[in-house]
Amino acid sequence: DSGVTQTPKHLITATGQRVTLRCSPRSGDLSVYWYQQSLDQGLQFLIHYYNGEERAKGNILERFSAQQFPDLHSELNLSSLELGDSALYFCASSHNTGPHDGYTFGSGTRLTVV
Amino acid sequence: AQKVTQAQTEISVVEKEDVTLDCVYETRDTTYYLFWYKQPPSGELVFLIRRNSFDEQNEISGRYSWNFQKSTSSFNFTITASQVVDSAVYFCALSENTGNQFYFGTGTSLTVIP
Repeated sequence: DSGVTQTPKHLITATGQRVTLRCSPRSGDLSVYWYQQSLDQGLQFLIHYYNGEERAKGNILERFSAQQFPDLHSELNLSSLELGDSALYFCASSHNTGPHDGYTFGSGTRLTVV
Repeated sequence: AQKVTQAQTEISVVEKEDVTLDCVYETRDTTYYLFWYKQPPSGELVFLIRRNSFDEQNEISGRYSWNFQKSTSSFNFTITASQVVDSAVYFCALSENTGNQFYFGTGTSLTVIP
């Protein structure tokens, strides 16, 4: 157990729907990062939050949004889902503002859009 | 341009053989960090090693060793006496001092045949 908890582990939904993925960081970690792993794009950085504030955005679609709450858990909201959004979504946490000490990854949420 | 290149998409070796996974990176930062992660079939991303740009000493951890060469911008990973449990996808990643994310390579899928 890495200490980073992601729920749900698996999600199957239809095109056009909206889903919320949840991440609880490792105890003491203030940074949460979201990554998408798809077969054609590999591991792509989506967004980074530090202590409730958005710090960096990567290749995140406008249909996607995220937030980090006062208790430091984070949610990634995916709306108007398309088949191409099917992927493994990882959350990672770190103590510092940057990734330089390395991340601890959760086990991922596998999203299947049908 | 890809910041991290893992040219080997798939490698198969017979158990007990040694295998080297290549990683070439590109950055203009003088301070940066390199990582290797393992993704077994279960899907989670497991941290293996972190190396900063000022430390070119090679590192050995059990059957694992890493060769960092700034002159060739490479950070190669060798598994000695491979075992079936080493079968996984291995990712090399870069974080730059000026940045806020990891850049992952496309991964090398290693299959160790018993």
